Amino acid sequence: RKEVEQDPGPFNVPEGATVAFNCTYSNSASQSFFWYRQDCRKEPKLLMSVYSSGNEDGRFTAQLNRASQYISLLIRDSKLSDSATYLCVVKVTGGATNKLIFGTGTLLAVQP
Amino acid sequence: EPEVTQTPSHQVTQMGQEVILRCVPISNHLYFYWYRQILGQKVEFLVSFYNNEISEKSEIFDDQFSVERPDGSNFTLKIRSTKLEDSAMYFCATGDSSYEQYFGPGTRLTVT
Repeated sequence: RKEVEQDPGPFNVPEGATVAFNCTYSNSASQSFFWYRQDCRKEPKLLMSVYSSGNEDGRFTAQLNRASQYISLLIRDSKLSDSATYLCVVKVTGGATNKLIFGTGTLLAVQP
Repeated sequence: EPEVTQTPSHQVTQMGQEVILRCVPISNHLYFYWYRQILGQKVEFLVSFYNNEISEKSEIFDDQFSVERPDGSNFTLKIRSTKLEDSAMYFCATGDSSYEQYFGPGTRLTVT
């Protein structure tokens, strides 16, 4: 089983649509969770951290379900500029380890 | 906004040659990482570096790889004898704590 699993997409949505991405992780010791965004041939950029209580940043809402080992990202009122690959990322914290474990990403294409 | 910078942006080398990839971290950051991304694949952890020593490395980071912080500012990744399969984007990431990591723009390494 992959450490972090995502639907690769692509998700093709019209401007203004609401789109949801899901992610599951296999290591129950994972303690930190993030969504990164990656544009084509660019570096991953931190979009938001994901907290146990869920958190919102403008049009973006992230949820975490530790019992199901499931993370989600909701984008409301999608813009053309939201087109990118969305990377689900987990970190197992403890001892010397701080490495980020990436999913393969979900490609979003917002159409005019 | 301070950024992680990397040089060169693109390096072409012949198989068997040594390459050094350079990263300038954000100034108050103490945690340093290298990741790589083979074209079309997910981002993979290579090594983490804290307090002037390697804190963790992956299976990919074999004896051909080394890291150092030669002058207290730059953070370098050296590949001693490059192989075709080393062709990838190499991302440096840094953090002021063990929590969030911020990525540089990457160096595209092409081994011919």
